[in-house]
Amino acid sequence: QKEVEQDPGPLSVPEGAIVSLNCTYSNSAFQYFMWYRQYSRKGPELLMYTYSSGNKEDGRFTAQVDKSSKYISLFIRDSQPSDSATYLCAMREGAQKLVFGQGTRLTINP
Amino acid sequence: GAVVSQHPSWVICKSGTSVKIECRSLDFQATTMFWYRQFPKQSLMLMATSNEGSKATYEQGVEKDKFLINHASLTLSTLTVTSAHPEDSSFYICSARSGRRLNEQYFGPGTRLTVT
Repeated sequence: QKEVEQDPGPLSVPEGAIVSLNCTYSNSAFQYFMWYRQYSRKGPELLMYTYSSGNKEDGRFTAQVDKSSKYISLFIRDSQPSDSATYLCAMREGAQKLVFGQGTRLTINP
Repeated sequence: GAVVSQHPSWVICKSGTSVKIECRSLDFQATTMFWYRQFPKQSLMLMATSNEGSKATYEQGVEKDKFLINHASLTLSTLTVTSAHPEDSSFYICSARSGRRLNEQYFGPGTRLTVT
């Protein structure tokens, strides 16, 4: 079993839809949770990070962490074609290395 | 967010030659830098972690004599692929993290290496 599981998709939704991206994990010691967006042939871009359980909102993006269920989510509201990318969840225990999910390929159709 | 640059963005080299990739943190001091490798449609594979002024720590299965990493300053790390083979062709991405803000790890734009 991988430490972090993420549905690779691909996920295709119409413009304006609410997108839900999810990851599950097995290591209860993970404390820091990040979401990265990666466009084709580019490096990942840090979208959001959260510490422990709870919600965090930034514009059209909301990150949720449920440590009791070992489940994290990223919601994208009013999705735009420019949101089409691969989204990677990542998490870390203390100052240890980041552990990445496989990445979900998302396409927003105009 | 902070900016991490990589140079070159793409490089083609012949088998048996060496190629150096530079990674710079432009607006913060990176006490820790990471080097990843990414194959098409796959996630990032961590190759090594380096702290400024220390030897890099390599992940299991990564040849340290083939992938030389130097982190000589708080803003610069280099990855040298020695005696390159076609199977070394890949997308190499560096990442940097400040000692003060461990939550934020920023990635460079990547370097596409093709070995012919």
